Amino acid sequence: DAKTTQPPSMDCAEGRAANLPCNHSTISGNEYVYWYRQIHSQGPQYIIHGLKNNETNEMASLIITEDRKSSTLILPHATLRDTAVYYCIVRVNAGNNRKLIWGLGTSLAVNP
Amino acid sequence: EAGVVQSPRYKIIEKKQPVAFWCNPISGHNTLYWYRQNLGQGPELLIRYENEEAVDDSQLPKDRFSAERLKGVDSTLKIQPAELGDSAVYLCASSLDRRTEDIQYFGAGTRLSVL
Repeated sequence: DAKTTQPPSMDCAEGRAANLPCNHSTISGNEYVYWYRQIHSQGPQYIIHGLKNNETNEMASLIITEDRKSSTLILPHATLRDTAVYYCIVRVNAGNNRKLIWGLGTSLAVNP
Repeated sequence: EAGVVQSPRYKIIEKKQPVAFWCNPISGHNTLYWYRQNLGQGPELLIRYENEEAVDDSQLPKDRFSAERLKGVDSTLKIQPAELGDSAVYLCASSLDRRTEDIQYFGAGTRLSVL
């Protein structure tokens, strides 16, 4: 079962920041939080990941709360091409059982 | 740099027929994954290879599904015989799998329709 909970859908106006929340209250100390997105009819695309500290790259910023029980993905200036399903994933790290457990994600619609 | 290449993009078959999917990972990536994605769901891992060894196939339905990764590069996933419930998108991904941090790169997938 997925270890994360996300809202099923969100809307955002083009040019505004999109803030996508994720709850992962059962996360373990050595488990990373990953974000991927999937544009319609394409394979998932990696966005960003983090363990404890906030992270930023050319695509997005990741804010992880101090207790690590939740995080927020921020797209600073959303465009129409950011319309996609966004998956928040906790990577299980257990020997050979290292894997990403995917949930249902958040369907983000960026509107003109 | 070429990404993960999958073929075919679409496949339509009748139930009980065999089908195979092919994946060419990113050059140098030692870890390869096959996922199945049902409509409206997130991807579900079927099998993970490290080089040519299948290190996690716990979710692969072994009565009808098989996979191979000869020489630790390309991989094929086969279903024989296919059932109606196998209709889904089959995704291949690859990564360098640095143990604690693992960024996976996905192909566009093969959409299978079983009639």
